[in-house]
Amino acid sequence: NAGVTQTPKFQVLKTGQSMTLQCAQDMNHEYMSWYRQDPGMGLRLIHYSVGAGITDQGEVPNGYNVSRSTTEDFPLRLLSAAPSQTSVYFCASSYSGTGGRRTEAFFGQGTRLTVV
Amino acid sequence: DAKTTQPPSMDCAEGRAANLPCNHSTISGNEYVYWYRQIHSQGPQYIIHGLKNNETNEMASLIITEDRKSSTLILPHATLRDTAVYYCIVRGTGGGNKLTFGTGTQLKVEL
Repeated sequence: NAGVTQTPKFQVLKTGQSMTLQCAQDMNHEYMSWYRQDPGMGLRLIHYSVGAGITDQGEVPNGYNVSRSTTEDFPLRLLSAAPSQTSVYFCASSYSGTGGRRTEAFFGQGTRLTVV
Repeated sequence: DAKTTQPPSMDCAEGRAANLPCNHSTISGNEYVYWYRQIHSQGPQYIIHGLKNNETNEMASLIITEDRKSSTLILPHATLRDTAVYYCIVRGTGGGNKLTFGTGTQLKVEL
């Protein structure tokens, strides 16, 4: 059971470039979300999804797009990278909690992004 | 979701119990208390959660006060591998698994 898989693990971008951070989970979780973590800070929510075809904004959505075409995948797109987007990005997934299922979130190992 | 307050850092001797406090005085009736930890910039790891009763699992115990305004995470026999940042998070049900992370408590377990 792979859990939550993020790719790539490391990435360096030039200002203005675009890229997609990949996130996949094999636990059939309804909920998926993206967070960013800056040095010395807690994680902040970028975007989240409660199921395939449904996404919504979190606390810091500007400069990022998401889509959820399948239950398993939740890619995060940086449209035009800026140095302020240098951060560590974490993807998470969980059940919705209906039917008595556990609701704890499972996190990937992160993507370390540097924008120069 | 309710805001939480945690001490920025704590030390604990290996083999002793680590008691990590969390204040959540504005918690509402349907909000749960969750604890996660993050070891050396890895992805956060779930530890335990509860609503109003004390909870115990293989990793830790969670003690929630009767008025639910504060809680304590207890690691009964801390080891060096428990050195991490511990986050106390309050969240309600529904609306996606949105977690509001503060800066947490840096627990350092020493010999």
